[in-house]
Amino acid sequence: QVQLVQSGAEVKKPGASVKVSCKASGYTFTSYYMHWVRQAPGQGLEWMGIINPSGGSTSYAQKFQGRVTMTRDTSTSTVYMELSSLRSEDTAVYYCATLTGDLDYWGQGTLVTVSS
Amino acid sequence: SSELTQDPAVSVALGQTVRITCQGDSLRSYYASWYQQKPGQAPVLVIYGKNNRPSGIPDRFSGSSSGNTASLTITGAQAEDEADYYCNSRDSSGNHHVVFGGGTKLTVL
Repeated sequence: QVQLVQSGAEVKKPGASVKVSCKASGYTFTSYYMHWVRQAPGQGLEWMGIINPSGGSTSYAQKFQGRVTMTRDTSTSTVYMELSSLRSEDTAVYYCATLTGDLDYWGQGTLVTVSS
Repeated sequence: SSELTQDPAVSVALGQTVRITCQGDSLRSYYASWYQQKPGQAPVLVIYGKNNRPSGIPDRFSGSSSGNTASLTITGAQAEDEADYYCNSRDSSGNHHVVFGGGTKLTVL
């Protein structure tokens, strides 16, 4: 069965960077784009960007341009999302998700807490 | 970029029908998908495409679209349907961008 397994919770100080991983299994990794979506406490879902696991091309929401980098490792079927210059407003649960028709799968989420 | 607008909260009596709407320009070009999210859980897809339900989603969930508005209808709402519901669609700006609505909190009375 399809699984997206994310790395564990992180606590970071303002100004630092965080890198979250998402390991895919149960399907052909390079066949489906992967999205990153975040959810601040008590808030809605916010789309951050997308990576094509096949070629590695990326596209980011304007809000995160310059601060986010999405990469992938096809040898381990893993995608990564790195967010830099963290601020308190970046405290959120970060999800990877396929968002592709009926192949719609989400990771379990990774809580990133930004606090001094 | 596009925006999708949802009512923040909707309520429905147990067993009755409720419609949750989502408005945005991108919906004139792309179908909405609908997600159900319960506290502490990842979102779950309930409707995608014109009106498709993933395996395991009860048939009381249905979707429709007209112009710039997409709707999720729950016919015969159950207590377990109480949750947050989010719509999303492709962003009309292209490049596989996606936009989410702000979410609707559904209360089943």
